[in-house]
Amino acid sequence: SQELEQSPQSLIVQEGKNLTINCTSSKTLYGLYWYKQKYGEGLIFLMMLQKGGEEKSHEKITAKLDEKKQQSSLHITASQPSHAGIYLCGADGMGRGGSQGNLIFGKGTKLSVKP
Amino acid sequence: SQTIHQWPATLVQPVGSPLSLECTVEGTSNPNLYWYRQAAGRGLQLLFYSVGIGQISSEVPQNLSASRPQDRQFILSSKKLLLSDSGFYLCAWSWTGLSYNEQFFGPGTRLTVL
Repeated sequence: SQELEQSPQSLIVQEGKNLTINCTSSKTLYGLYWYKQKYGEGLIFLMMLQKGGEEKSHEKITAKLDEKKQQSSLHITASQPSHAGIYLCGADGMGRGGSQGNLIFGKGTKLSVKP
Repeated sequence: SQTIHQWPATLVQPVGSPLSLECTVEGTSNPNLYWYRQAAGRGLQLLFYSVGIGQISSEVPQNLSASRPQDRQFILSSKKLLLSDSGFYLCAWSWTGLSYNEQFFGPGTRLTVL
């Protein structure tokens, strides 16, 4: 079965610093989804990547999917306290794309931003 | 626009008591619906998903069951709660018929079994 490994598990950065979170899959990714979660709340969708080499940005957050489609990174530029939370990567658990079926998730990366 | 609701927000129940958590989606029809559990140190685990009324798929054997009595209503139940049922329960929905599986999550229910 497919597994997603996230690193680091937790991260503390000074406000204004850049940071990167990684998500590595044991199998080819047919869709990679990044979510953000604040403690005790639901997940907020950030970005979806489908094609090898794809890169997407939203405000100060950039996500990339490598050419082999087995690793994704989430990069935050000039971090702010509002970026704090848990970042989770998810992938289509059926391993073949499509909207039916589940997402499997990594265990998350807890980000703290010191003002 | 679409919204997803879950209730209750928090719940404290004794071992052996029944459970009913409700999830409803507004602003869409025939969504795929999902129940996940998030437990400390174990990440987010899919429990059930449904592609239509009365159609439920279970991902892991457990003490819980799910039902979908209406198109946009998804219910998670248990006849007798166990301590291990404690966790944060999240409901999610997605569009059907797409080539990708972007899911939208509800605010969650924090369940503590004592």
